[in-house]
Formats: sequence, C-alpha cells, structure tokens
Amino acid sequence: KAGVTQTPRYLIKTRGQQVTLSCSPISGHRSVSWYQQTPGQGLQFLFEYFSETQRNKGNFPGRFSGRQFSNSRSEMNVSTLELGDSALYLCASSLELVNTGELFFGEGSRLTVL
Amino acid sequence: AQSVAQPEDQVNVAEGNPLTVKCTYSVSGNPYLFWYVQYPNRGLQFLLKYITGDNLVKGSYGFEAEFNKSQTSFHLKKPSALVSDSALYFCAVRSTGFQKLVFGTGTRLLVSP
Repeated sequence: KAGVTQTPRYLIKTRGQQVTLSCSPISGHRSVSWYQQTPGQGLQFLFEYFSETQRNKGNFPGRFSGRQFSNSRSEMNVSTLELGDSALYLCASSLELVNTGELFFGEGSRLTVL
Repeated sequence: AQSVAQPEDQVNVAEGNPLTVKCTYSVSGNPYLFWYVQYPNRGLQFLLKYITGDNLVKGSYGFEAEFNKSQTSFHLKKPSALVSDSALYFCAVRSTGFQKLVFGTGTRLLVSP
C-alpha cells in the first residue's frame, strides 16, 4: 500500500510569491491534516480536513488556506510568502476522523523563502 | 486546551543502556497519547499509542511507554538502546471531541556506540 505522498519535496520561493503544496493520502484514508515544522516552533497544526470539509483549524493567518477534494487528496496554499514561512510542511492522513487513530505522515515539502 | 511538554531537548545514552524520553500532558477529558519518531529529512513515523486499558503500551522497534494518570505522564522507554535509535522523538495528545493532535516540541535522542 502506498504511503502518504507529498509534492513537491523541495521548493524555493521569494517573498511575496504564493505556493501550493499537494498531498495524496493513503488509499482509503479520508482525513488529512497539515502541520508546519520549524526548528524554533516545533510542529504547529495548520488544519484538518475530512470529507472535503475543514474540521479543525490552527492559529495561522488567513494567508494559509487549504482544501480537500472528493478523492481525499488535499492541497494547501500560502499566499504572499514571508521569510518566516520557511519550514517543512507535513501532511498526515488517517482512516477516519477519530481521536484514537494514529496519523500517517508524508515525508514533507521543504519550503525555503528567500 | 490541550498541551504536551517534553522537558528535555536532548537525551544522551550509551548503546545497550536503557533509555527514557519524558512526556507530560494536559487535557480536559480522557487523553489519547501517541509517540512518533522522526529521522533526518523524513516525516514522522508512528511508534505507539495509549487509548485505554493497560498502562504499559508496547510499540514498534522494542519501544514501550507507561501511562501514569496521576502524574499525567507518558514516558517512552526502551530496555536497551541502539545507535540506530538516534532520532527526534515527539509525544502527542488528543482529547475527546475530535480535537486536533497536539505535539510536544520534540526530544533529540543521541545513542553513542
């Protein structure tokens, strides 16, 4: 069974640009979560989607947005990039929207903003 | 609000010795607790979880964790460390009501030969 796939793995952008990251969950998984990982802040929750609906949202500005498609694939978008947006963006999927299920993570998309 | 604390930024242990990585949590309601490991330039891998039942939970790669409700702790342990266990370890908690999974800041484990 294929794992969680994130694309692109690495990308470099400049301030003010926008970026779209993609996540394909494990087949059959309907819940997708996004996290931002930085050395200083650790893992920060961005949002969680289930059946194309945003179920939870973290404390990030409106420049960060996401969506989920009917096939459970998800994208997140960051507009007007800032230097502080440089991070590893991790996507995770789980079978259902339940508290007891573990998340399965992709290898991440490393964004560098210059 | 949910929170997780990992008080040690780094834990150093010699190969063959037992290891402990500490985690304490704060939630309202019943906690669902998880440990994940991250190797360099990789995503997080699930190690083990506590949902209910026995306080000692066994997981992947010989790791185990002990849930202590009175101390609100969920320490990760392994009887004999391997050099290959060197990685970044994250504790996480989720409570009832479909809350988000909240992670600790991570503990770097360094196992020396």
